[in-house]
Amino acid sequence: DGGITQSPKYLFRKEGQNVTLSCEQNLNHDAMYWYRQDPGQGLRLIYYSQIVNDFQKGDIAEGYSVSREKKESFPLTVTSAQKNPTAFYLCASSQPQRTGADYEQYFGPGTRLTVT
Amino acid sequence: AQSVTQLDSHVSVSEGTPVLLRCNYSSSYSPSLFWYVQHPNKGLQLLLKYTSAATLVKGINGFEAEFKKSETSFHLTKPSAHMSDAAEYFCATNKAAGNKLTFGGGTRVLVKP
Repeated sequence: DGGITQSPKYLFRKEGQNVTLSCEQNLNHDAMYWYRQDPGQGLRLIYYSQIVNDFQKGDIAEGYSVSREKKESFPLTVTSAQKNPTAFYLCASSQPQRTGADYEQYFGPGTRLTVT
Repeated sequence: AQSVTQLDSHVSVSEGTPVLLRCNYSSSYSPSLFWYVQHPNKGLQLLLKYTSAATLVKGINGFEAEFKKSETSFHLTKPSAHMSDAAEYFCATNKAAGNKLTFGGGTRVLVKP
């Protein structure tokens, strides 16, 4: 059963603690992404990785960090430097085509993080 | 820079009536455009995509969208709404490199019985 898994579904942390969100995919996709979603807003890109051992900042990378040591895994750490960490976090993956045609992203079920 | 604007934050329809969700894009080149659906506390599911082939694109669950370059629009329609269509819908377009997507603000659809 192919897809993207994110765990846990709900996560609660105290302010000042770092927390790591898991994202695993078995689609054999090269590219992976992390988005943040706030109520009534669209998705905003935090980080993305087009290949193992490489990643780039998205539009709102401050206060976050990532790693891409394995093709199937792209964990996101929300650090204490992130001012408003409470949000719904979505992981996605995609596979570039040789033709250069645009390719859709596949999304995981998300992790809802609450920091108090 | 590429961007999309969803013109309605909320749409309310009666079951069995047509649904229209509006999306306008701005792009310096011919874009790829996507519509995704998100049910509460779930990830996003791709409904359909436009990638410079046919301008009328058919997707899953009876949805379709028409790319109109002259109007810079990519509106999503469905002839007859079902209760299961109640969800949030996002229009998205690609950025130039890395297949990064830019999302609209979303349209929440309410379906009344």
